[in-house]
Amino acid sequence: EAGVTQFPSHSVIEKGQTVTLRCDPISGHDNLYWYRRVMGKEIKFLLHFVKESKQDESGMPNNRFLAERTGGTYSTLKVQPAELEDSGVYFCASSLQGDTEAFFGQGTRLTVV
Amino acid sequence: GESVGLHLPTLSVQEGDNSIINCAYSNSASDYFIWYKQESGKGPQFIIDIRSNMDKRQGQRVTVLLNKTVKHLSLQIAATQPGDSAVYFCAEGSTSGTYKYIFGTGTRLKVLA
Repeated sequence: EAGVTQFPSHSVIEKGQTVTLRCDPISGHDNLYWYRRVMGKEIKFLLHFVKESKQDESGMPNNRFLAERTGGTYSTLKVQPAELEDSGVYFCASSLQGDTEAFFGQGTRLTVV
Repeated sequence: GESVGLHLPTLSVQEGDNSIINCAYSNSASDYFIWYKQESGKGPQFIIDIRSNMDKRQGQRVTVLLNKTVKHLSLQIAATQPGDSAVYFCAEGSTSGTYKYIFGTGTRLKVLA
């Protein structure tokens, strides 16, 4: 069974540009989470989907970040316009409904220059 | 692979010795705790979890200890192997609500041959 997959694995963009990150959760997992790790700091929660609904988006840093999960399958996280401080590794995780154990993808390393 | 930060605490252990990695958590309301292992270029990988109604749980070569009085969590790795070299994160969460995790900053474990 495939794990959580994220695309791209790396992205280098210029300040002001737009980037879209994609996450494919484990098939059948209703819960989908986005986290990020800014360089040198801890992994921080961004938001949580249950199927296509945003359950908790308290960790989204500002309105330059937009997450979607149309159809309740894969999710995208768009950063527009990107700023230098957005650089870091963005992780996606998924879990079964009612299950606390979340499985993480390999992450997308975003570098804004 | 991902740069995991310049200021992570590091634990160096001789191969074959036991390792103990410590973590302080912040939220008294957290009732679920997890240890993750992250190798370079990969996402966090689940190692072991424990719920707040327990103070010890054992897995294969790993043991997690929970002290709720002082909000302290530890991971013990028996007979540490070179493949155990990685960054280890503790995370706290809740079995109610959104299941989002709060991660610690991580500890880098180096296994010396």
